[in-house]
Amino acid sequence: AQSVAQPEDQVNVAEGNPLTVKCTYSVSGNPYLFWYVQYPNRGLQFLLKYITGDNLVKGSYGFEAEFNKSQTSFHLKKPSALVSDSALYFCAVRDPSGNTPLVFGKGTRLSVIA
Amino acid sequence: EPEVTQTPSHQVTQMGQEVILRCVPISNHLYFYWYRQILGQKVEFLVSFYNNEISEKSEIFDDQFSVERPDGSNFTLKIRSTKLEDSAMYFCASRGRLAGGSYNEQFFGPGTRLTVL
Repeated sequence: AQSVAQPEDQVNVAEGNPLTVKCTYSVSGNPYLFWYVQYPNRGLQFLLKYITGDNLVKGSYGFEAEFNKSQTSFHLKKPSALVSDSALYFCAVRDPSGNTPLVFGKGTRLSVIA
Repeated sequence: EPEVTQTPSHQVTQMGQEVILRCVPISNHLYFYWYRQILGQKVEFLVSFYNNEISEKSEIFDDQFSVERPDGSNFTLKIRSTKLEDSAMYFCASRGRLAGGSYNEQFFGPGTRLTVL
């Protein structure tokens, strides 16, 4: 069975500092990995994905994530955090076969302090 | 930019009543999903739908739930007899190939907040 772990409930970072939101996964075979962001009272917005190819993927709003197969991780990063990045971030995994659903982590709340 | 829309944004109902949550997926998408998020918890899969039938469903999606694609644009989730524990945010998502894009990511609607009293 697929699973995703986001070990941190909350991440606090000062504006302008780099940020990392951690994600590890468990899935048989090669996973499809995703990050979504949820702003208050809003739906989930797609940030980026890893399907195949380069382990470093770049997404929206300056975010990037690095796929590490040996550590089964897909940490979300940004070189310089903005106050507007404060939101709830979800890592998700999908088995590439068929019409399988996304399996989400429990989410990490990012707070960027001015 | 194309987007998934959902109506209503907020539904309040009495326990035991039927509710229908509506979604309009992105045009030309072929795969459709419902997820829910109980307040403060993670997003949970309910059901996936493709080619006019359910592809997969979770344990949450019991006999009280049903989905339908009544026409070429709408995708609905029906809860026949709501329970208090059905109170949650319900998200619709769709997946398919956008012009120049891939078909791997799911695009989510803004959600319907269901409150069962």
